[in-house]
Amino acid sequence: GQQLNQSPQSMFIQEGEDVSMNCTSSSIFNTWLWYKQDPGEGPVLLIALYKAGELTSNGRLTAQFGITRKDSFLNISASIPSDVGIYFCAGHAGGTSYGKLTFGQGTILTVHP
Amino acid sequence: DTAVSQTPKYLVTQMGNDKSIKCEQNLGHDTMYWYKQDSKKFLKIMFSYNNKELIINETVPNRFSPKSPDKAHLNLHINSLELGDSAVYFCASSQDTDEQYFGPGTRLTVT
Repeated sequence: GQQLNQSPQSMFIQEGEDVSMNCTSSSIFNTWLWYKQDPGEGPVLLIALYKAGELTSNGRLTAQFGITRKDSFLNISASIPSDVGIYFCAGHAGGTSYGKLTFGQGTILTVHP
Repeated sequence: DTAVSQTPKYLVTQMGNDKSIKCEQNLGHDTMYWYKQDSKKFLKIMFSYNNKELIINETVPNRFSPKSPDKAHLNLHINSLELGDSAVYFCASSQDTDEQYFGPGTRLTVT
């Protein structure tokens, strides 16, 4: 089946630093999504990307849909302590895979004040 | 004004028991999902219903049976619980797009 490789697995940064994480796939996706999960909570949708090359921002977050449609990255600028959590990429292949999202393994972000 | 809600939040039970988890969404979405998150935080889809019709049924033991009484509800019944069923189960919903909105999760512990 389809797999997403998300990296890095974890990051330890100082408050104020910028963060970058990415996802790669062996196959093409029509949609890329980025979620954040806080402890004890469900994943919350941050950004959705629908077109190859698309660059979308949501506050301090910026995500891009790779030109090859096989990758995506998420940047967080000027990190703050509440950015702590697990970030997941997810992709949808479209076609007959109706509604089926494939998730990356997650990036655990720790921000030191 | 909760969008996707699940009950219970925590469920502790013994092997062999049967249990149900309930999910409700008030977003007006027509598609609902069940996901399983394992101890390594990996999220994997289990089932999806669109307008009460099953459209995704991943390789899940038939001890797991979803039921959708209406568009706003999707329940998950698990028979003969096993230790390996311990996980966090998430309900999600969407409407016409790939943007899925998740509930707070149900942490199931089988002892």
